[in-house]
Amino acid sequence: DTEVTQTPKHLVMGMTNKKSLKCEQHMGHRAMYWYKQKAKKPPELMFVYSYEKLSINESVPSRFSPECPNSSLLNLHLHALQPEDSALYLCASSHPRQRLNEKLFFGSGTQLSVL
Amino acid sequence: KNEVEQSPQNLTAQEGEFITINCSYSVGISALHWLQQHPGGGIVSLFMLSSGKKKHGRLIATINIQEKHSSLHITASHPRDSAVYICAVTPEEYGNKLVFGAGTILRVKS
Repeated sequence: DTEVTQTPKHLVMGMTNKKSLKCEQHMGHRAMYWYKQKAKKPPELMFVYSYEKLSINESVPSRFSPECPNSSLLNLHLHALQPEDSALYLCASSHPRQRLNEKLFFGSGTQLSVL
Repeated sequence: KNEVEQSPQNLTAQEGEFITINCSYSVGISALHWLQQHPGGGIVSLFMLSSGKKKHGRLIATINIQEKHSSLHITASHPRDSAVYICAVTPEEYGNKLVFGAGTILRVKS
């Protein structure tokens, strides 16, 4: 299994809603990432979990709350989002330290629209 | 100035042409990645390299660490190669962090 699975693929939510994005991988990767990508822009790193502990938080607003309940799952909890948070949210995984011949594996993303 | 610069920003080619996309970076790195993204889709990692050259099918990636430069070549290009190609580096300082270039939008016409 060489996939990173993200659900849902599309999400529309109001500014008062609470929702969660989910990411799952079974490759034994112990580093997992959340990226945000606006249209026609490169991805921006949001969070990195290494061995289920938050290791990087790129000054992301508290309305985004990550969670890594185990080594295979990564969640992103959303609350009181703003319309400018509408974007493609990408999950990725890798071994904690990039090794030769190791690739980064990305999910297909969740396209989020905040109304 | 961005830490990772790609050129060209946009590229249109005829089917069958040889394509080169360039990437220059200004920081010390432990690895460089070439990624592919189709419209509305997730990202596929094509190569990760820290020296020399790698080949996979019609794709070839090279890196010159001394010159801080990498190239992605596509031989015998095909319309299905149309996508955004992104160069990203893993800085030496942060083993788990990628710094992305702006991407090159490639369109291959039949």
